[in-house]
Amino acid sequence: DVVMTQSPLSLPVTLGRPASISCRSSQSLVYSDGNTYLNWFHQRPGQSPRRLIFKVSNRDSGVPDRFSGSGSGTDFTLKISRVEAEDVGVYYCMQDTHWPYTFGQGTKLEIK
Amino acid sequence: QVQLVQSGAEVKKPGSSVKVSCKASGGNFGTYTISWVRLAPGQGLEWMGRIIPLVDVTNYAQKFQGRVTITADKSTSTAYMELSSLRSEDTAVYYCAIVLPVPNFDYWGQGTLVSVSS
Repeated sequence: DVVMTQSPLSLPVTLGRPASISCRSSQSLVYSDGNTYLNWFHQRPGQSPRRLIFKVSNRDSGVPDRFSGSGSGTDFTLKISRVEAEDVGVYYCMQDTHWPYTFGQGTKLEIK
Repeated sequence: QVQLVQSGAEVKKPGSSVKVSCKASGGNFGTYTISWVRLAPGQGLEWMGRIIPLVDVTNYAQKFQGRVTITADKSTSTAYMELSSLRSEDTAVYYCAIVLPVPNFDYWGQGTLVSVSS
């Protein structure tokens, strides 16, 4: 199985400051069609996960543009340009290039 | 707009089985891939398996192979996840999901808490 390794696992951030989460995969996430199927999800306590980013850098509708995804191959990053109170929760990277799909361990973002 | 509504919370004894349902509405059920994901206390999200109802194809994560069975009833647009030989470590919230790599195709059920305790 592809192992997804996130860092940091805990991310205390001051409101209005930027935040960044790294995600590394144990093998390349480039699929045979040339696409890279790397997603970012956000989950608040008691809620279902919500996807923020698909295929590395594509934001879903309704996702604020302060969220951005980047990376290639095995190294990926989620950046929040200015953290707001509603951004608290756990962030997961997830690959759906290789079966079984796998998630990172999760990064818990909290407000300092 | 797809909606996924799951069955209610379950309390089970170790060694027993649980079957969670996921009813879809608002889309073309048969053509979607429906996945099951779980979140155990203090753990991260874990992908368990998936089914494509149109062709009745299933895939399971090796960790759950032999214990999980995912099925779908196209006539009622409902998917099921059955987990057998339950142990305390299976206590988790179980989600069904339809996630496609196209804009905004990210749909999740509300989650079903399965508690395993003697």
